[in-house]
Amino acid sequence: GAVVSQHPSRVICKSGTSVKIECRSLDFQATTMFWYRQFPKQSLMLMATSNEGSKATYEQGVEKDKFLINHASLTLSTLTVTSAHPEDSSFYICSAPGQYNSPLHFGNGTRLTVT
Amino acid sequence: AQTVTQSQPEMSVQEAETVTLSCTYDTSESDYYLFWYKQPPSRQMILVIRQEAYKQQNATENRFSVNFQKAAKSFSLKISDSQLGDAAMYFCAYKLTSGSRLTFGEGTQLTVNP
Repeated sequence: GAVVSQHPSRVICKSGTSVKIECRSLDFQATTMFWYRQFPKQSLMLMATSNEGSKATYEQGVEKDKFLINHASLTLSTLTVTSAHPEDSSFYICSAPGQYNSPLHFGNGTRLTVT
Repeated sequence: AQTVTQSQPEMSVQEAETVTLSCTYDTSESDYYLFWYKQPPSRQMILVIRQEAYKQQNATENRFSVNFQKAAKSFSLKISDSQLGDAAMYFCAYKLTSGSRLTFGEGTQLTVNP
């Protein structure tokens, strides 16, 4: 079945540095990918929709300059957390739709810890 | 805007028993999908079951079944013969047929007691 690969699974960085998270669709093309953020014991909150060949669409309240999204190809989307702060520590999950009306395929998530 | 509500933050069930998780949603659309996802401690999102709104028959997947009440906008998940491996956070989700964006409920943490 369709697989979405997300890397890294865990990352620890220092305040002020930037961290890049990759999301790849391994055996299908994804013109759209979704990035979610999840706090402990809470639901997934959609941050932005990544669009291949065009700008990402951000949800209300999400800082575009802090969470940079690039959809470089039909199989790769990246989320860069710039100038990270401890409050950016969270679990980030990407997903991509497969064929028409198939369920979303999720990456395994990235646990970001900013010290 | 579409919203999904799960009114049970936590539920527990004895192993081998049956448990029902509730979900209601609000939409003005008529053509959509509903899903239940399971998120175990590994935090991997696992699709449990899905329901097309145009289908009157309730979806079933082995021990998992749904009670889809379209007029009431209710979509509950029944887990039969609960197993220890069913312990997880369960999310109800909604998606328009014409789109890919998922709207999630708040989640229900299910504990299975041996």
